[in-house]
Amino acid sequence: AQKVTQAQTEISVVEKEDVTLDCVYETRDTTYYLFWYKQPPSGELVFLIRRNSFDEQNEISGRYSWNFQKSTSSFNFTITASQVVDSAVYFCALSEGILTGGGNKLTFGTGTQLKVEL
Amino acid sequence: DTGVSQDPRHKITKRGQNVTFRCDPISEHNRLYWYRQTLGQGPEFLTYFQNEAQLEKSRLLSDRFSAERPKGSFSTLEIQRTEQGDSAMYLCASSLAAGSHEQFFGPGTRLTVL
Repeated sequence: AQKVTQAQTEISVVEKEDVTLDCVYETRDTTYYLFWYKQPPSGELVFLIRRNSFDEQNEISGRYSWNFQKSTSSFNFTITASQVVDSAVYFCALSEGILTGGGNKLTFGTGTQLKVEL
Repeated sequence: DTGVSQDPRHKITKRGQNVTFRCDPISEHNRLYWYRQTLGQGPEFLTYFQNEAQLEKSRLLSDRFSAERPKGSFSTLEIQRTEQGDSAMYLCASSLAAGSHEQFFGPGTRLTVL
């Protein structure tokens, strides 16, 4: 069965520090997608990125970057020069069954609470 | 273009009462998902629809839970004889069926069962 582990429950940093959020996943599928979502205090989940299992290229979007390593089943998320507005809970998620019509349901980790202080 | 909307945003009910939540997906999305999120946890999958067909239900979805999407547009989630353990945030998400796998989430309905 699929599983997503986010071992860091809470991280506190000072503004402008870089911070990396870890995500480790388990799946038997060879074709799958990985996601990161942000959940600010308002509660609505905001999609950040999708990565498919065939593409191990790292991606950068502004201050955000993602490191996907299939060999270690990890999909880590780095925020460079963190800001107070980055304070939120961040979820890593896995979607399986892409080729078998599994419906793309998401399996989420337990989330990492990021607090960025002045 | 509006996002996913959910109604109500908050619901307080007494144990044993029935409650119904509504979700309106993004208009061109034919997949609709329901998740439940309890405090300190990630969302857990409950069920999903492709158009009006309910294609999968989680084991978390007990007999007291029922979901419908009668015309392939909005969906309702009903909980009968609510229990205190049903207290959670109920999240709805929608996506296109093919090609795109991102799910876009609504603001959720927070249920409190007293």
